[in-house]
Amino acid sequence: QQQVRQSPQSLTVWEGETAILNCSYEDSTFDYFPWYWQFPRESPALLIAIRPVSNKKEDGRFTIFFNKREKKLSLHITDSQPGDSATYFCAASARTGANTGKLTFGHGTILRVHP
Amino acid sequence: GALVYQYPRRTICKSGTSMRMECQAVGFQATSVAWYRQSPQKTFELIALSTVNSAIKYEQNFTQEKFPISHPNLSFSSMTVLNAYLEDRGLYLCGATGAQDTQYFGPGTRLLVL
Repeated sequence: QQQVRQSPQSLTVWEGETAILNCSYEDSTFDYFPWYWQFPRESPALLIAIRPVSNKKEDGRFTIFFNKREKKLSLHITDSQPGDSATYFCAASARTGANTGKLTFGHGTILRVHP
Repeated sequence: GALVYQYPRRTICKSGTSMRMECQAVGFQATSVAWYRQSPQKTFELIALSTVNSAIKYEQNFTQEKFPISHPNLSFSSMTVLNAYLEDRGLYLCGATGAQDTQYFGPGTRLLVL
């Protein structure tokens, strides 16, 4: 059973548009949700993260919207730039002692931003 | 700032041989270190989670006999891929968790098996 799901699998937007990447999860004990982005031939880098105490986290053009009741979250990238083209991974973890530091990843969304 | 180094960045080994990779956290104390593998066209598979003062926990399909891990202190971890075969190829990532559960990844060790 896939614990963290992402959609769409791939997304293409024009420069300046808003890209919306979706993520949902199964385990209600998850309480930390980082998004990573990964460029070709590089390792993933932390982009932005949220905890359930908030339903929104903003960092520049990147915003996470979080719906705890529906176990869904989304990453919005406003004014998309060609340099935002990458694979975006939604991840989740639970701070329950033994599971601290164990991230469960989705399969990723490939974002392409056309100039 | 927090940095995670991995060595080597890329390695090629013959089928049936073993190779060791290292992970070093710099600028913070890693309370846990997780090793992942990203296979071609796949997402991240957690191999094992190593927490200071706790036994190393391996995920299903991964064993200590195949992927022995050493985590002697809060800043260093190493993992060996024993008897590597074609299905072991991929990018091996070390994720070190510091304060507030933020997990930082190293650049990865890319393993090619001939």
